[in-house]
Amino acid sequence: SQTIHQWPATLVQPVGSPLSLECTVEGTSNPNLYWYRQAAGRGLQLLFYSVGIGQISSEVPQNLSASRPQDRQFILSSKKLLLSDSGFYLCAWSGRTSGDQTDTQYFGPGTRLTVL
Amino acid sequence: AQSVTQLGSHVSVSEGALVLLRCNYSSSVPPYLFWYVQYPNQGLQLLLKYTSAATLVKGINGFEAEFKKSETSFHLTKPSAHMSDAAEYFCAARSHNQGGKLIFGQGTELSVKP
Repeated sequence: SQTIHQWPATLVQPVGSPLSLECTVEGTSNPNLYWYRQAAGRGLQLLFYSVGIGQISSEVPQNLSASRPQDRQFILSSKKLLLSDSGFYLCAWSGRTSGDQTDTQYFGPGTRLTVL
Repeated sequence: AQSVTQLGSHVSVSEGALVLLRCNYSSSVPPYLFWYVQYPNQGLQLLLKYTSAATLVKGINGFEAEFKKSETSFHLTKPSAHMSDAAEYFCAARSHNQGGKLIFGQGTELSVKP
């Protein structure tokens, strides 16, 4: 079965510091990968998605970036964090199979980021 | 553009009462539809999904949802609420074309009173 991991689970960082959040998927190959942000009391905002190694699409221009160095690894980064970067960051994966063409997204446990 | 609307940002029910969470989509072609549940400080968990195979979809934890094309709705129900059902619920839609992004509603927080 497939599993998705995110770390760290929680992170407190000062304004202006760098950021690196990691997401890995097990049990599947060539997944689509996604980064979402969930600000307090708000819905989910798609930040980046990737359909393959080195292929990143950005949905919202901001000071965040994403990379996919390996098939099942997705990294969210920032060179300098802003207060507005605080939130709950969720990674998700999806993949089509012969029995399911819905490309259903499955989410990781999330990383709670607080920027002070 | 496709959108998903969840009526009611907060719903409160008594334990044992019917749960009804509303979701409407707007698209010319019925999309794939999903319901997710999120417990505090956790990721989203898939409850159920509509794939056009059947209009009444049964999911985990006793939840089900009915797709109604005429009403462009996909409401989530559970006959009898449990305290453990208290969580945030998200409805989402994705078009059938390859690469269609998942469009989320704003979420409905369900509270269950003893």
